[in-house]
Amino acid sequence: DAGITQSPRHKVTETGTPVTLRCHQTENHRYMYWYRQDPGHGLRLIHYSYGVKDTDKGEVSDGYSVSRSKTEDFLLTLESATSSQTSVYFCATRGAGAWNTEAFFGQGTRLTVV
Amino acid sequence: AQRVTQPEKLLSVFKGAPVELKCNYSYSGSPELFWYVQYSRQRLQLLLRHISRESIKGFTADLNKGETSFHLKKPFAQEEDSAMYYCALSGLGAGGTSYGKLTFGQGTILTVHP
Repeated sequence: DAGITQSPRHKVTETGTPVTLRCHQTENHRYMYWYRQDPGHGLRLIHYSYGVKDTDKGEVSDGYSVSRSKTEDFLLTLESATSSQTSVYFCATRGAGAWNTEAFFGQGTRLTVV
Repeated sequence: AQRVTQPEKLLSVFKGAPVELKCNYSYSGSPELFWYVQYSRQRLQLLLRHISRESIKGFTADLNKGETSFHLKKPFAQEEDSAMYYCALSGLGAGGTSYGKLTFGQGTILTVHP
């Protein structure tokens, strides 16, 4: 497996509390992505990063923020968790070179908001 | 905006039968299309990409820009092909570089019966 790790792997939190998920890579990839996976919706992009301190919104960014202060780490924060944010979250990374466009995924984080 | 549509959430076939998983996309620039697969309890992984024109595990996919489609095909399905399949889209830049968002479809669960 590519060097991508997510932490924590499982988390249960209460409505209204802040939550931060971490994605760490050892591949020196330029692009990093956060997705949520829900039945019937597939993988939906939350935010992505195209470099240190360079981020952009995806299709379901409301209620989420991200930060990337160094190449290897991409943090996803739920400022005030809601039950609708119960999901499985995946981080992915991708290089930017020619023909080096495969995305590598973390193991996923299962988040339950009660 | 970029969009990927997989019209079938579920697809069931018998072993040895042909299988086709449909994917349609919408993108204003030059697209790069992928198929990713998620086997039970494994990470999401790349199956194939259109620019490589390769066949992986007997699967092929042809990019049809006129119909904006990238359907995945296999002439003889095997039980081990049972998995979740995602079609994905990114922008293709000069020299085969990739950039920007990586957008996924809703996914198709393929079940191959013995």
